[in-house]
This record gives sequence, C-alpha cells and structure tokens, in this order.
Amino acid sequence: ETGVTQSPTHLIKTRGQQVTLRCSSQSGHNTVSWYQQALGQGPQFIFQYYREEENGRGNFPPRFSGLQFPNYSSELNVNALELDDSALYLCASSLGGGTGSYEQYFGPGTRLTVT
Amino acid sequence: AQSVTQLGSHVSVSEGALVLLRCNYSSSVPPYLFWYVQYPNQGLQLLLKYTSAATLVKGINGFEAEFKKSETSFHLTKPSAHMSDAAEYFCAVSSDTGRRALTFGSGTRLQVQP
Repeated sequence: ETGVTQSPTHLIKTRGQQVTLRCSSQSGHNTVSWYQQALGQGPQFIFQYYREEENGRGNFPPRFSGLQFPNYSSELNVNALELDDSALYLCASSLGGGTGSYEQYFGPGTRLTVT
Repeated sequence: AQSVTQLGSHVSVSEGALVLLRCNYSSSVPPYLFWYVQYPNQGLQLLLKYTSAATLVKGINGFEAEFKKSETSFHLTKPSAHMSDAAEYFCAVSSDTGRRALTFGSGTRLQVQP
C-alpha cells in the first residue's frame, strides 16, 4: 500500500510569484485535504476535495486554490505569494463519503519559503 | 465552531517517567478527537483516535488517551517515556460532517531526558 506522497520537498519562491504543490493520495482514498503549518504552530485547514469537487474551505483567501484529478491526486495553487505564505504545506488523504473513515493520513509535506 | 487547547507548549520528562500531554476541546456537536505526532522535518502520524466508541483509546507506541465529556478533555498518556518519544504532539478535533476537516491545537513539544 502506497502512502501519501508530496512534491516537491522544498521550494523557494519570490514574493508575487505563483506556486503549485502536488499530492498523491493513499491507495483507495477519494478525499484530499490541504493544511498550512507555519513555524511553531499547528496545521490550519485550507480546503478539502472529495471526488474532484471542493468540499469545504478554511479561512484562506481565494488566491489559494486547488484541483483534484480523477485518480484523486491533488494540486494546491497559490497566487501572488506573500512572505507569510512561508510554511510547511501538508496534504492528507482519507476515505470520504457517508461511511468513510475519519482518519486522515498525512504526507511528509512541502516546505515553501517565500523571499 | 470547534477549537482545541493544548496546555503546555513544552513538556520535559525523564526516560521511564509518565508522559501526560493535555488537550481540552470545544465543540458544539459530538466531537471526534485525534492525537498526531510529528517528528522533525516530517509529516503527521496518527497515534490514536476517539470516534464515540470506548472512552479509553489505545494507540500505537504504548500511548493511550481518555475521553472525558464532563471535562471536555482528551489527555494523552504513556506510562514510561522512551527517548524515541521526543517529538511534537498535536491534538485535533473533527465533527460528524461531510467535510470532517481537522482543527488542530498549537502542539506540545515533548523532551525526554536520559
């Protein structure tokens, strides 16, 4: 069974640029959630995708957007990068739906640095 | 709205001593509660979960947690700390909704002294 993978591992961008982060969900999982973890803080929910549709969003501006593909992999896009966007971005997959598990399995994260 | 408070951003114990990490939650609906561990430069690993079954939940690596509704608490314990337990621990709450997004606490860094 393949776990959650994320790419790239590290990324350095300049303020104002755009970035795309990628996530492959665990085999059999149809739901992907994205979280932002700033240094020294707990992860904060950005949004969730279930069967290619956005299924909830946290308190993040529209310049944070996402996609989920038919194979349930996902992308997180951030436009007009700001210094405060520097963080570890975590992807988590789970089995959603009425009888889905509550368990979310996390990938290793992408460390984004905005200069 | 849901929230999680973890009391103590840093906890230090001696190897072999009891580990107690505190978590209190706030939720307007029956909560589902989780503890995750994060080792340096890694993602989060699920230690254990409470989803309205038994109130005493056993997890991996010898950890357990007890759900106490009257105290709105879900403290994590381990009878005997090991050096390999040194890590950041996060308590999280979710609700019985379709989204089931996790709301995390700010974390507790556990140090284990030899």
